[in-house]
Amino acid sequence: GIQVEQSPPDLILQEGANSTLRCNFSDSVNNLQWFHQNPWGQLINLFYIPSGTKQNGRLSATTVATERYSLLYISSSQTTDSGVYFCAVGLRETSGSRLTFGEGTQLTVNP
Amino acid sequence: NAGVTQTPKFQVLKTGQSMTLQCAQDMNHNSMYWYRQDPGMGLRLIYYSASEGTTDKGEVPNGYNVSRLNKREFSLRLESAAPSQTSVYFCASSDEEGKIGWTYEQYFGPGTRLTVT
Repeated sequence: GIQVEQSPPDLILQEGANSTLRCNFSDSVNNLQWFHQNPWGQLINLFYIPSGTKQNGRLSATTVATERYSLLYISSSQTTDSGVYFCAVGLRETSGSRLTFGEGTQLTVNP
Repeated sequence: NAGVTQTPKFQVLKTGQSMTLQCAQDMNHNSMYWYRQDPGMGLRLIYYSASEGTTDKGEVPNGYNVSRLNKREFSLRLESAAPSQTSVYFCASSDEEGKIGWTYEQYFGPGTRLTVT
């Protein structure tokens, strides 16, 4: 099956710092999503980005499908950004898009 | 819209007991999914349903059964719970292929935290 690798596994920042999270995947994808899992366990959709670039406030994401990687940028980080960030990818199959998750990046933002 | 809802939020079972986790979505989505998340890991797909009346196995289906009751509801059943099934269970849904504005994007419920002792 498809492999998804996220880096770094852990990241500690001071409030206000910028960061880049990376997701490498091993095959062509039709679906790529970034999620934030907050300390209460809730999964929040950040981006649906199988290719191209998107921005939402302080967050942006870029996927280079031909080179099989995606990047999530967090600027001016805040303590509420803490949590685990997951990249998940999916191949189109005849019966739906099944997501394979990476192991996540644990982000801690200190005040 | 409530999006994807799951019940219960928490459950404790003894080994060998059975239970059903409920999931419903109000977005008129065609496809629904069940994932599990173990500590320190990403989610893994248990079962999915591409449309009403169809179900297929995912990566970790052993010990589970599913029912796509109608377009809105997709339940997950543990017939004889084992400690290895202690996990957080997430349900998700995605839109119908071919609809205007359709994407593969999946939307997740809040999860059910299950402990089997």
